[in-house]
Amino acid sequence: GESVGLHLPTLSVQEGDNSIINCAYSNSASDYFIWYKQESGKGPQFIIDIRSNMDKRQGQRVTVLLNKTVKHLSLQIAATQPGDSAVYFCAENPQSFGAGTRLTVKP
Amino acid sequence: EAGVAQSPRYKIIEKRQSVAFWCNPISGHATLYWYQQILGQGPKLLIQFQNNGVVDDSQLPKDRFSAERLKGVDSTLKIQPAKLEDSAVYLCASSLARGSRNTEAFFGQGTRLTVV
Repeated sequence: GESVGLHLPTLSVQEGDNSIINCAYSNSASDYFIWYKQESGKGPQFIIDIRSNMDKRQGQRVTVLLNKTVKHLSLQIAATQPGDSAVYFCAENPQSFGAGTRLTVKP
Repeated sequence: EAGVAQSPRYKIIEKRQSVAFWCNPISGHATLYWYQQILGQGPKLLIQFQNNGVVDDSQLPKDRFSAERLKGVDSTLKIQPAKLEDSAVYLCASSLARGSRNTEAFFGQGTRLTVV
């Protein structure tokens, strides 16, 4: 079936650097995407979302880019902090999650 | 605003036993989801309710799993009988979504189930 997947399972960055987490999706009819952050022992926490009529959306220190031509999403985190260390998931609607990318921020 | 409440936080049972999980969604949220999250994987949707009706239960192993959402508010997820491979975190989430327009889901802390 259709699914959302991630390019890299782990990402390690230095504190203060920018982070980019990528996600591919296969359903060209998908119209809503969400990025979640999950810390150990907690449920996923909403970060930012984007609908298919947009190609970019910005939040506080985060930006999501959507490229419908190649069915690709990315999450950019500016000035990454130790508190950003977590597993990040992209989701196609709330119904379909990818495997996740573990982000580790080195002080 | 109170978040999604789940109980218990942890449960250990022997295989072939039964177990039930409870979820209280955010007030006013029409849509409720149950997910299974196996260690190292993303959450997998088990069932989605809108009010007290089932929208999607295509990935629910119906021979052993059941769920209900009486009165369109609280929900319970039951496993009977449990297998070793059911060991996972069971997450409940809710959203304002009505009809076909999706919105973000808000998650509870989950119930960690260990089947021994």
